Amino acid sequence: GAVVSQHPSRVICKSGTSVKIECRSLDFQATTMFWYRQFPKQSLMLMATSNEGSKATYEQGVEKDKFLINHASLTLSTLTVTSAHPEDSSFYICSARDLGGQVNEQFFGPGTRLTVL
Amino acid sequence: GQNIDQPTEMTATEGAIVQINCTYQTSGFNGLFWYQQHAGEAPTFLSYNVLDGLEEKGRFSSFLSRSKGYSYLLLKELQMKDSASYLCAVMDSNYQLIWGAGTKLIIKP
Repeated sequence: GAVVSQHPSRVICKSGTSVKIECRSLDFQATTMFWYRQFPKQSLMLMATSNEGSKATYEQGVEKDKFLINHASLTLSTLTVTSAHPEDSSFYICSARDLGGQVNEQFFGPGTRLTVL
Repeated sequence: GQNIDQPTEMTATEGAIVQINCTYQTSGFNGLFWYQQHAGEAPTFLSYNVLDGLEEKGRFSSFLSRSKGYSYLLLKELQMKDSASYLCAVMDSNYQLIWGAGTKLIIKP
């Protein structure tokens, strides 16, 4: 099956620093990648939809200047949390849609646990 | 607005059967998904229903009634490792997934 990787799996940083999270589709091309955030005991919340070669589409309430998304290639999307604060501590999960697959197929990365001190 | 409802928590006994219900109201429908999520991990795909009826896959089955906006996930022969959250998600007319809050399933010996 299709594999999506995320790096790093876990990161701890100081308040005010920036953190970059990478999402890669390892064996397929993904024109569309999705970034989710999940707080403890809550469901996934879609933050933004990332399309290769174009600007990301952000969900209401998500600051695009704080959560920078770059989808530079068909296999890589990055999410940068700028000037992170403790309230940004969360589980960040990406998913990717296979270019050559069914439109309803979405494959999830293993997630990145961000802790901001 | 769009809404997905599922119970917050359920408890079942090892070896038994449990049914997790999901009702939805969305703008358009392009299929309903069930995912399993263990604590601290990303969701893993369990099933996809786009037509009415029952889809069986091993110990897990998923049912859909589009006219009722209703689905259920049926887990048979429960094992301790089935303790997890089960997420119901509907793909809307824009092919975006709308997520339920998840049902935490607790399996007791």
